[in-house]
This record gives sequence, structure tokens and C-alpha cells, in this order.
Amino acid sequence: AQSVTQLDSQVPVFEEAPVELRCNYSSSVSVYLFWYVQYPNQGLQLLLKYLSGSTLVKGINGFEAEFNKSQTSFHLRKPSVHISDTAEYFCAVRGNFGNEKLTFGTGTRLTIIP
Amino acid sequence: DAGVIQSPRHEVTEMGQEVTLRCKPISGHNSLFWYRQTMMRGLELLIYFNNNVPIDDSGMPEDRFSAKMPNASFSTLKIQPSEPRDSAVYFCASSLRGLTDTQYFGPGTRLTVL
Repeated sequence: AQSVTQLDSQVPVFEEAPVELRCNYSSSVSVYLFWYVQYPNQGLQLLLKYLSGSTLVKGINGFEAEFNKSQTSFHLRKPSVHISDTAEYFCAVRGNFGNEKLTFGTGTRLTIIP
Repeated sequence: DAGVIQSPRHEVTEMGQEVTLRCKPISGHNSLFWYRQTMMRGLELLIYFNNNVPIDDSGMPEDRFSAKMPNASFSTLKIQPSEPRDSAVYFCASSLRGLTDTQYFGPGTRLTVL
């Protein structure tokens, strides 16, 4: 089974500053990794995903994440945030075989300070 | 594309009443997922269907919960009888082909059981 840890439940950041949201996973097998964003009163939307290949993955809205196998991490970054980035961000993992289910982290609430 | 459609968006009911949540997946998607989101437990997969057939319902909390998918364009999640601890946001998601493909989420149904 896989698990995901998002250590930061809340991250406040000033507008136009950079941000990193941390995600660590635990798995005994190779994995696929995902970041989802949930805007207030909306469903989850896929930001980006790592399946294979380049460890640096670029997603929508200027976000990117880097898969680090040795540190079992998949941190999300953005060089300059906007007010519209205020949302909850979820990291998710699944084993890369068979009928493995997505396991979500507990989420990180990103608040942008004007 | 209309995306995943859920109804109602909000539901308030009294303990003991039957509650039915509805979902229309994205046209052409073969897999459908029901999730529950609470502050305490985060996002949990309740059940998922492939080609209208329930594949894994191990996440369904109790016999009070049941889900059906009578055709490729419609699914229901029913709680009977409802209890206050069922209060949560329930999300429906769909994907092209099962767990390996990206899941697209609906806006959710916020259920409050008094």
C-alpha cells in the first residue's frame, strides 16, 4: 500500500513570492504521482502528474513539481504566486500496476497575502 | 464538454432520512468513482465502477451506503438511513479507462445531516 504525507496543512505566502508545497510518499513499488488543486466550493482539478521520464513535470497555471526517488518526494513549486492561486492542494500517489487506487494526502491550504 | 455533473450541490436532511446523490460522468468515460471528503479523514474513495460494474466497494463505510450505475451516463449514491456523521462533501469523478487514467472530478455535493 502507498501513503502520502503533506506536512504543511497551511502555507501563507505573499503575492508574487515563490512557493513550495511539500509532499512525501511511502511505497514499496514504483509509483505514479499527482497534484490536484481544489478552489473554494469546487471539485478537484488535476495540476500535473508524473508517470515516467523526466523528473521535472510542468503543469497548468505555472506550477511544476520534481520527482525525487531517493528522497521519496514530489514537491510542488511556483516561482511567483497570484491571488487566484488561493486554494487547497492535494498530493496523491498510486502504484503503477494493476488496480491500484489513488491515495490522497490531507491537503495544504495555500493562502496568498496581498 | 460539460464535465462531471453532480446533483444536488447542497443537501440538508434530518437524521434517519434517505439521501440520494446523483452523478453524470463525462461522456465516453468508462470508469466512475465516488469519494467522500471530511475534515477528519480527508478524501476517501468509497466505490468505483468500470463499464457500469462495481469493481471495488471496500471503501463503503456501512451497509447504509449503496451505489448503483444503471447505465454509462448515470450513477447514484444512496444513504439510508442517514446519520449526522455522514455529513461531508461527496465527489463523483470519472476517467476514460479505470484507475490508470486521469480522474476528472465533479463539483461535489455538500451533505448536512441534522
